[in-house]
Amino acid sequence: GNSVTQMEGPVTLSEEAFLTINCTYTATGYPSLFWYVQYPGEGLQLLLKATKADDKGSNKGFEATYRKETTSFHLEKGSVQVSDSAVYFCALGLAGNMLTFGGGTRLMVKP
Amino acid sequence: DVKVTQSSRYLVKRTGEKVFLECVQDMDHENMFWYRQDPGLGLRLIYFSYDVKMKEKGDIPEGYSVSREKKERFSLILESASTNQTSMYLCASSSRQAPISTDTQYFGPGTRLTVL
Repeated sequence: GNSVTQMEGPVTLSEEAFLTINCTYTATGYPSLFWYVQYPGEGLQLLLKATKADDKGSNKGFEATYRKETTSFHLEKGSVQVSDSAVYFCALGLAGNMLTFGGGTRLMVKP
Repeated sequence: DVKVTQSSRYLVKRTGEKVFLECVQDMDHENMFWYRQDPGLGLRLIYFSYDVKMKEKGDIPEGYSVSREKKERFSLILESASTNQTSMYLCASSSRQAPISTDTQYFGPGTRLTVL
């Protein structure tokens, strides 16, 4: 079946540090890949997505590259801010199926 | 601006009560979803609907039912609430312009349900 594995949190960083949140997936077929973010007290928002191998999704300084050879979609940001503190979810989607989410990674950024 | 609203942010119910969670979207989306969110488990799909009066079971439908009488409204029903249904419930919607699984899903703020 389909599954998504994310690094467990919380991840605690100082402001302006480099961020990586790992995400790997297992899928039968060629999925689209997503990162969603959930700020405190809110629902999930789409952060970025990639629909095929080698695509790079980017938004708000975050980037992730669809790596078919390593079945990964790691989230990166060069310099995090306190306002980036949130829970980040990696997800995959396949035609005819719903989105499959990872367990979420909580990021805490300290000033 | 897209908007998905849920009827309550916090809800406390007793075991055995019938519970209704309401979700409304104003984007004229065909697809609507109910998830529950539990620590370490991510989001798990309970039910989804791709049209009025249509529904499909997700990964964990047991103990839940849904209703979609109007396009903009999707209700989740707990027929007899139990303590293991204490969770955060998230509603989402998406357009059917592309294959269902690749559409961006828009989420509501969630309802935190506690069953005592």
